[in-house]
Amino acid sequence: DIQMTQSPSSLSASVGDRVTITCRASQSISSYLNWYQQKPGKAPKLLIYAASSLQSGVPSRFSGSGSGTDFTLTISSLQPEDFASYYCQQSYSTPLFTFGPGTKVDIK
Amino acid sequence: QVQLVQSGAEVKKPGSSVKVSCKASGGTFSSYTISWVRQAPGQGLEWMGRIIPILGIANYAQKFQGRVTITADKSTSTAYMELSSLRSEDTAVYYCARQLPTSGGFDYWGQGTLVTVSS
Repeated sequence: DIQMTQSPSSLSASVGDRVTITCRASQSISSYLNWYQQKPGKAPKLLIYAASSLQSGVPSRFSGSGSGTDFTLTISSLQPEDFASYYCQQSYSTPLFTFGPGTKVDIK
Repeated sequence: QVQLVQSGAEVKKPGSSVKVSCKASGGTFSSYTISWVRQAPGQGLEWMGRIIPILGIANYAQKFQGRVTITADKSTSTAYMELSSLRSEDTAVYYCARQLPTSGGFDYWGQGTLVTVSS
């Protein structure tokens, strides 16, 4: 099975900061990597699909990059509504899909 | 607008089973796969399995093999997830999610169903 790791597991940042979250796969997954945002008590929301494509309606301050085993999610200028948990998910090993353990972004 | 609406919260005894429904509207139900993802309190997301409604084929994560059954009723655009032999560790919010066919991302999610397993 493909294992996903994320770093950091949590971070504290201020409004306006540039934030980068890293996701690593245990083997190459090409660009089959998706990113989600989840706020407390809510379902996850798809932000980025296929490693770097912005889902419709998602602000352009979110961006994704990477391929193979190493991926990043970047928030260019953190906004108050961005304080949440973020998860990566691989969709390479169809039909078995795995999520990373998550990164919690909170207010410094 | 695509919507996935799940059934309500459940409280179950250890050893029993639970069946959660997920009714889709606003899209072509059979054209997409539906996955089930759970989240234990304070924990991350865990993919459980999926169904391809047009084929009626289901796949499951190894962890849940033998305990989970995912089905779909095309006539009502509803997917179901049944989990048996419940234990306290199965207490979680269970989500259904529609999967994009090319990227494999989950673009629409149900609101979640809290299943509490307690004696």
